[in-house]
Order: sequence, then C-alpha cells, then structure tokens
Amino acid sequence: QVKLLQSGAALVKPGASVKMSCKASGYTFTDYWVSWVKQSHGKSLEWIGEIYPNSGATNFNEKFKGKATLTVDKSTSTAYMELSRLTSEDSAIYYCTTTDYWGQGVMVTVSS
Amino acid sequence: EIVLTQSPTTTAASPGEKVTITCLASSSVSNMYWYQQKSGASPKLLIYSTSSLASGVPDRFSGSGSGTSYSLTINTMEAEDAATYYCQQWSSNPNTFGAGTKLELK
Repeated sequence: QVKLLQSGAALVKPGASVKMSCKASGYTFTDYWVSWVKQSHGKSLEWIGEIYPNSGATNFNEKFKGKATLTVDKSTSTAYMELSRLTSEDSAIYYCTTTDYWGQGVMVTVSS
Repeated sequence: EIVLTQSPTTTAASPGEKVTITCLASSSVSNMYWYQQKSGASPKLLIYSTSSLASGVPDRFSGSGSGTSYSLTINTMEAEDAATYYCQQWSSNPNTFGAGTKLELK
C-alpha cells in the first residue's frame, strides 16, 4: 500500500537549518506531485509548496520562498524539504502529502 | 490569496444526526477538497473535486457546492466522526485551507 514515511522529530537552534525527508513507497514516485504542509501547534494548515519528482519542477507559496527548499532523490523515492534561518515561528509539524496520502509528520522545535 | 471561511468553528452532534459544515471562499474557486484530522494524526482526504468520495471513505460523507460556497455533509453522525474538518482550494496559488471545524460527539 502507499506510504509516506517521514524522518524523525528535530530540535534545532534559532538561525540554523533543518532538512527533513519523506520516503515514498507503494506507487510510482515520479508520477505524482509531493506537497509540503505546515501545521503550527493547535492551528490550521498552510501549504508551503510542491515538487514534481519526475522533473524537479516546483511551485511555492510566496510566503515560504527563501525559507523552504524542495528536492527529490528519484533513486530512493525520497522527497526532501530544507528550512533555513529558523525562528520560533517555524516550530510546527510538517507534513508531506500527495493529497490522497499523508506522511506522519515531522515535529520541528526551534529553541536555544 | 483566497481566504476560506469555515462555519461553524465548533459543533456537536448526537449519533445519527446530520451534520453540515460550510466553507465560503473570498473569490470563486473551481472545486474544493475536504480533510478530516483526528487528534494526534495526519489529515485524511475525504472529498476531492467538490463531491468525489476518496477511496475507503464511508458514503455517509458527501460534498457539494460551487463558486464561493461549498459544504461537507455527514448524513448520520457516528462516534468515529468526531474530529476537525478542513476545506482546501487548489484553484489559486497559494492553495489555502480553512481554519477548521471541530466536530464533537454529543
């Protein structure tokens, strides 16, 4: 069955970067866009951007341009998101999703 | 950016009761997606393209609407339906989510 397995929780210092992964299985990875979604504690969902694994093409929410970098490794069916210059506002759960399927989420905590 | 306004913010229903959640868009969108999120879990797709039921979703869930007004209906509430529900539009970049409707079991 389809699975999106995300990397583990991260505790990072302000100003640092964090890179998280989303390993896909059970479907043809290169055929579907992978989106990334942010959920701050107890709040709603924000779309960060998406990447098409076959070509590497990306689309971003303007708000996250310069904050998020999306990449893929087709050889391992894995999508990555790197967040840079982290602040407390970046503390949240981050999901990867193909719309139909969602990863389990990565909790990122930004704290000194 | 298209703003999606969900109502009610919170509601409660008894088993067997009908529940309707509304999502109003600040500009016209071509379709709507609906997700269910239970506490501590990832969102789950319920409805895509306004009214199509996602795989494995019980047929007591249905979606409808057009333009700026969309709704999600649970025909007969069950205990397992207690969750937060979100609408999402993909018509305009950035795609946006509503603030959520928390549905509790009465």
